[in-house]
Amino acid sequence: DTGVSQDPRHKITKRGQNVTFRCDPISEHNRLYWYRQTLGQGPEFLTYFQNEAQLEKSRLLSDRFSAERPKGSFSTLEIQRTEQGDSAMYLCASSSEGQYNEKLFFGSGTQLSVL
Amino acid sequence: AQKITQTQPGMFVQEKEAVTLDCTYDTSDQSYGLFWYKQPSSGEMIFLIYQGSYDEQNATEGRYSLNFQKARKSANLVISASQLGDSAMYFCAMREAFNYQLIWGAGTKLIIKP
Repeated sequence: DTGVSQDPRHKITKRGQNVTFRCDPISEHNRLYWYRQTLGQGPEFLTYFQNEAQLEKSRLLSDRFSAERPKGSFSTLEIQRTEQGDSAMYLCASSSEGQYNEKLFFGSGTQLSVL
Repeated sequence: AQKITQTQPGMFVQEKEAVTLDCTYDTSDQSYGLFWYKQPSSGEMIFLIYQGSYDEQNATEGRYSLNFQKARKSANLVISASQLGDSAMYFCAMREAFNYQLIWGAGTKLIIKP
């Protein structure tokens, strides 16, 4: 059983650098989500893809953040000109269902530390 | 306005005892789903249980049950016969019918004592 895979698990970068994270969803899942989680908080929604189409993007997401899902398979999340406030766990999730009873399958996340 | 409230930042429970984790929610939608996820120290969010707003029976999944009180807008998680491996963060979340987002509470850290 191959679950959701995220790479890297940890990333340490200096302020101002660009970083890119990768998410490989469960192969038959057409829906993919990115969430961000800071210490002691629940996750916050960042963006959502159905196949290759980015259907929703959080207003919290600045222009420094961009996500892609070419060909509707893996997804990348890029943060440009990182800031210390970007330090967080970035979680990817996928699903195959479309209603509000949709169960999400999460990866183990990428922990970003911006120095 | 906060939509999901988990009032217990942390709980200690003796092994084999039952534990109830509180969750209240706020929505004006009639159609919504409520979820509980577990997050161990490894970081991965693990789905535990789901309750739909129109479900008349409380959801159960093995040792997990959801005490759904719609009029009070509460969706408490009950874990029966707790085990050491249940030690983790537990999050309550809600998805409204026409919204792609899951809205999450701040979580409860559960520690099971041997």
